[in-house]
Amino acid sequence: SQQGEEDPQALSIQEGENATMNCSYKTSINNLQWYRQNSGRGLVHLILIRSNEREKHSGRLRVTLDTSKKSSSLLITASRAADTASYFCATVLASGGSYIPTFGRGTSLIVHP
Amino acid sequence: DGGITQSPKYLFRKEGQNVTLSCEQNLNHDAMYWYRQDPGQGLRLIYYSQIVNDFQKGDIAEGYSVSREKKESFPLTVTSAQKNPTAFYLCASSIEGTGGYTFGSGTRLTVV
Repeated sequence: SQQGEEDPQALSIQEGENATMNCSYKTSINNLQWYRQNSGRGLVHLILIRSNEREKHSGRLRVTLDTSKKSSSLLITASRAADTASYFCATVLASGGSYIPTFGRGTSLIVHP
Repeated sequence: DGGITQSPKYLFRKEGQNVTLSCEQNLNHDAMYWYRQDPGQGLRLIYYSQIVNDFQKGDIAEGYSVSREKKESFPLTVTSAQKNPTAFYLCASSIEGTGGYTFGSGTRLTVV
């Protein structure tokens, strides 16, 4: 079963605009992570936010976490054509001493030059 | 440079054959994972290993097998029991399982 679900499934914007993607999940988590995947490639880690944190920034990326609503958002500001990729959230739960990441289906972002 | 290497990049399998996908990391990470990615379904966990000589089934382990004889290596065998093996397979590793995960570049397996 998939713990995290991204929304929207697809997003198409113009270069320079902001892109916002959301992730909802069902159970308590240890941390939540966002990844980027270019077509046919592996995933690249973007940012990790722990369950006791509410917001983190990294360059043009801003991630928020609302544990009461079990949701997170990824904001990419001033988007570029090179940001075109799929973006996944991964929720990490602690289970019997193991920390297992569970990925959603992803948001496909297209940034038009 | 440290990293995680998957090979081969493309693999073709005939019906009824077993094939083994390689995953090697030189990051000194304890934990390693195998995921399967199908279009529109995101990543699904096949197997994971937290330490050498120990591994656990994920959500879709049927038809797959793994070994973890060395810390650096976590090969995945797709057996003939896996009825729909055509997919993109991703290997990942991490420190202690709570930090970020480093992914390989994937192996695309096609049944011919």
